[in-house]
Amino acid sequence: DAGVIQSPRHEVTEMGQEVTLRCKPISGHDYLFWYRQTMMRGLELLIYFNNNVPIDDSGMPEDRFSAKMPNASFSTLKIQPSEPRDSAVYFCASSLGTGSQHFGDGTRLSIL
Amino acid sequence: SQQGEEDPQALSIQEGENATMNCSYKTSINNLQWYRQNSGRGLVHLILIRSNEREKHSGRLRVTLDTSKKSSSLLITASRAADTASYFCATPTGSSNTGKLIFGQGTTLQVKP
Repeated sequence: DAGVIQSPRHEVTEMGQEVTLRCKPISGHDYLFWYRQTMMRGLELLIYFNNNVPIDDSGMPEDRFSAKMPNASFSTLKIQPSEPRDSAVYFCASSLGTGSQHFGDGTRLSIL
Repeated sequence: SQQGEEDPQALSIQEGENATMNCSYKTSINNLQWYRQNSGRGLVHLILIRSNEREKHSGRLRVTLDTSKKSSSLLITASRAADTASYFCATPTGSSNTGKLIFGQGTTLQVKP
């Protein structure tokens, strides 16, 4: 079974550039979550979707961050413009209903 | 603020020993989940315990839940080097089932061969 697929696995870019992270959830899952993990702040929920509709984006740090889910099999998290403090590992997870979540292996983002 | 907080932050044991990690939370919940994260990988769900359950087993894992104390523990018996990872507890926000989980800061477990 294919798990949650994230791309790219690593991204290094310069401050001010636009960054787009991609996620393909597990087929049939109706919830999709975007998290950010840092040593200082741990794992933070940024936004989550149910049936492609954003439910709670209260964790999105600033207007520089946006997320979309145009269909059940694809989501993007965009940062524009990027800043060094956005450097972190970004995880996408999906679930069927409100049970256990299945995580991708993350995108390690470095903003220089 | 964190809903779940793990204790200890770090734990180092010898292979074959048991490892116990604790989690405390603040609000009423209908379930509590434990996840494992290996270095450089995403979190993997281990076990879910419902609020009406006191104990649950899965292989070498044993989870307890004390809703009166708002705490849970994860016991790994006969640990192996492959158990080296970070372990997180996660709870839904409030008692309603929104799908949203709050994760604790995690316990980093090192199992020495």
